[in-house]
Amino acid sequence: SQQGEEDPQALSIQEGENATMNCSYKTSINNLQWYRQNSGRGLVHLILIRSNEREKHSGRLRVTLDTSKKSSSLLITASRAADTASYFCATLRDDKIIFGKGTRLHILP
Amino acid sequence: EADIYQTPRYLVIGTGKKITLECSQTMGHDKMYWYQQDPGMELHLIHYSYGVNSTEKGDLSSESTVSRIRTEHFPLTLESARPSHTSQYLCASRGGSGLGYTFGSGTRLTVV
Repeated sequence: SQQGEEDPQALSIQEGENATMNCSYKTSINNLQWYRQNSGRGLVHLILIRSNEREKHSGRLRVTLDTSKKSSSLLITASRAADTASYFCATLRDDKIIFGKGTRLHILP
Repeated sequence: EADIYQTPRYLVIGTGKKITLECSQTMGHDKMYWYQQDPGMELHLIHYSYGVNSTEKGDLSSESTVSRIRTEHFPLTLESARPSHTSQYLCASRGGSGLGYTFGSGTRLTVV
């Protein structure tokens, strides 16, 4: 079964708005990672947050982690057309990274 | 810039053919992985390796095989391709603990 589950499955917002995606997981983790995948391409590592961290920033990205709720969120501020992609959360289990099903984000012009 | 390379980028091949998907990385990573992904769907781990001469099957059963004779090279082979093998195959590598994956651009395989 999947370790991570993203929510929502798909999201369409206007350019300039903020996009928030959530991820829930089942077992204890060492870290949680977010990846972006443009259509038909490989995944790009965006950000990693360790289990002892609560929030992390990278440019327009903000990630939060709540280990008591086993959940994480990815916020993209001031969205751009180039942010259109699928976003996956991933957790480390037995030295293997397990991916969720992803959120498909579409930025409308 | 990606330091992990997959070839070919696209492959259309007939049923029954033997194929090898290439994956090479220049980062000296010990850990390498193959994922299978249908369009718009989740990634499934099919093979992984922790170093030379180490290969393991992943969570999703696959008829493909892999080898790891050199650190930088992790090819995936299908002895007899079938239409059910049509998918995208993504190769990735990872450095030490606490680091994310670096992915290749993928090979989109179509078996007709």
